[in-house]
Amino acid sequence: GEDVEQSLFLSVREGDSSVINCTYTDSSSTYLYWYKQEPGAGLQLLTYIFSNMDMKQDQRLTVLLNKKDKHLSLRIADTQTGDSAIYFCAEIPNSGAGSYQLTFGKGTKLSVIP
Amino acid sequence: DGGITQSPKYLFRKEGQNVTLSCEQNLNHDAMYWYRQDPGQGLRLIYYSQIVNDFQKGDIAEGYSVSREKKESFPLTVTSAQKNPTAFYLCASSHSNTGELFFGEGSRLTVL
Repeated sequence: GEDVEQSLFLSVREGDSSVINCTYTDSSSTYLYWYKQEPGAGLQLLTYIFSNMDMKQDQRLTVLLNKKDKHLSLRIADTQTGDSAIYFCAEIPNSGAGSYQLTFGKGTKLSVIP
Repeated sequence: DGGITQSPKYLFRKEGQNVTLSCEQNLNHDAMYWYRQDPGQGLRLIYYSQIVNDFQKGDIAEGYSVSREKKESFPLTVTSAQKNPTAFYLCASSHSNTGELFFGEGSRLTVL
């Protein structure tokens, strides 16, 4: 089956850049997503990228996609304490079932040190 | 305001009892989902529904049941058959043709 892999923890100092990495298995995935979960809350969509793109930038966020290696990364510039959260990578596997179910990674917990 | 609402936020139950978690959305979304989240496990899909009066099992449906009688509502029942029900439950909705999910704030169920 499909699997999305992420490291579980990342710790950075306030003001530094954070890079969260993800590998996925379905090379035919059309969309790849980054979701953010703050403590005790639901997930919110941060950004997404189409598979025909290599990079997408949105203010402090930069998403890089390497389709050859099936590698996705999220870079947060000038990381702030408010960025402390769990970040989930997700894909829509092309399972042919006709649904749009996401497969999520286990999440990377980002801790920002003041 | 449009959104997705889960209730209750916290719930305690004794072993052997069924409990029902509510999920309501006013986003006019076709698809709704229930996920279970455990520490270090990420999100696992319990059930999903793409249209009213239809739903499918996800990866961990055993011990759970759902209904979709109205477009706005997708309640989840955690039955006594669920071996380890203590978890954080997340409901989500989406348009049927996009992967962008809108999540509720979650319901934390603790079995005593």
